[in-house]
Amino acid sequence: ILNVEQSPQSLHVQEGDSTNFTCSFPSSNFYALHWYRWETAKSPEALFVMTLNGDEKKKGRISATLNTKEGYSYLYIKGSQPEDSATYLCAFPRNNAGNMLTFGGGTRLMVKP
Amino acid sequence: DSGVTQTPKHLITATGQRVTLRCSPRSGDLSVYWYQQSLDQGLQFLIQYYNGEERAKGNILERFSAQQFPDLHSELNLSSLELGDSALYFCASSQGQGAFEQFFGPGTRLTVL
Repeated sequence: ILNVEQSPQSLHVQEGDSTNFTCSFPSSNFYALHWYRWETAKSPEALFVMTLNGDEKKKGRISATLNTKEGYSYLYIKGSQPEDSATYLCAFPRNNAGNMLTFGGGTRLMVKP
Repeated sequence: DSGVTQTPKHLITATGQRVTLRCSPRSGDLSVYWYQQSLDQGLQFLIQYYNGEERAKGNILERFSAQQFPDLHSELNLSSLELGDSALYFCASSQGQGAFEQFFGPGTRLTVL
């Protein structure tokens, strides 16, 4: 069984706070690591696909880092806004072709105005 | 709007029945993925097609089948439905397979009574 773990499960922050959460995945046979943002009543939206150890990707106030040797990725949100409230999912392919994604349970972020 | 369309949005049916869910990928995307989101489970990968061919099979029951047509749209057929099949079914598409962002459709909410 492939375990993709995310922590914390949920997070409440104030508007303006910066925050980060973790995705842990098996460090052997790494292929790629996906991050998705999922707002309530909508569908998951791709944030990043990361493939290289040490990779750092950024989209606006959201950035992610990747450590394939130790099997973790961090997602950072700088200056959280209420519209950042969502569940953030990471996903790790369970096969060498990279097309069978196993999703973590997600981190539910709530940003209070 | 991801560019992926799914029909119908909602489906209510009875146990033992058969339904077909339809997905049209983003223009230019060759890969289509199907996922199931149940109440007590995270996103579960079901099956993936690439340019008409099945490429990966996940936790898909034998009562379920799928196909991708020459115009690249895909259908997921669910038969002998059980109460436990009630879930949100997402289709996603990507340009290729592997380390590509997946773009999710709005989902089909299936309720089996």
